[in-house]
Amino acid sequence: GAVVSQHPSWVICKSGTSVKIECRSLDFQATTMFWYRQFPKQSLMLMATSNEGSKATYEQGVEKDKFLINHASLTLSTLTVTSAHPEDSSFYICSAPTGLAGGAKNIQYFGAGTRLSVL
Amino acid sequence: GENVEQHPSTLSVQEGDSAVIKCTYSDSASNYFPWYKQELGKGPQLIIDIRSNVGEKKDQRIAVTLNKTAKHFSLHITETQPEDSAVYFCAASKRDNFNKFYFGSGTKLNVKP
Repeated sequence: GAVVSQHPSWVICKSGTSVKIECRSLDFQATTMFWYRQFPKQSLMLMATSNEGSKATYEQGVEKDKFLINHASLTLSTLTVTSAHPEDSSFYICSAPTGLAGGAKNIQYFGAGTRLSVL
Repeated sequence: GENVEQHPSTLSVQEGDSAVIKCTYSDSASNYFPWYKQELGKGPQLIIDIRSNVGEKKDQRIAVTLNKTAKHFSLHITETQPEDSAVYFCAASKRDNFNKFYFGSGTKLNVKP
């Protein structure tokens, strides 16, 4: 099946620094990608929808200036956690749907996730 | 917006037994219902999905049923094996919204050998 690659898989950073996470669709183009956050033993919480060539759409309660999203090409979306603090420590997961919206073959694939630890 | 509830939160079964996980959703416009398996430290993997024009779908030991009237859907795993142990998430979405998913809270399945 389709592959979504996420990098890095694990990052440790100091409080106040910024961290960039990459999400790539390896064998298909994705005009839309999604970013999720997952706390231990909890479900995935949708943070934002990344749109190629336009601004991301953020879910209610998610700070857009804190979590910068850039979708510069049809295969790459990046999430930058700016001025990270310990409370930003979490598991971040991206996903990308194949095909067109509403299409019968539109399936969403997830990256392997990035574990962020802010000291 | 959509609200997806999932039960049970944990499920222990003996190897070879069946496991059933249930989800309900609130938005009658949702029409796509995937199930994902997540192993520790990894991203979710799609295991089966069902669309609203179908009542049941089966893939080897895994099956999903959908009751649109009652707005609930279930995952059935037969002849469970230890490697089935993981966290399972259900989700609901509208296919016309680029699969913006609303996830259930997850079920931790433990298959005892």
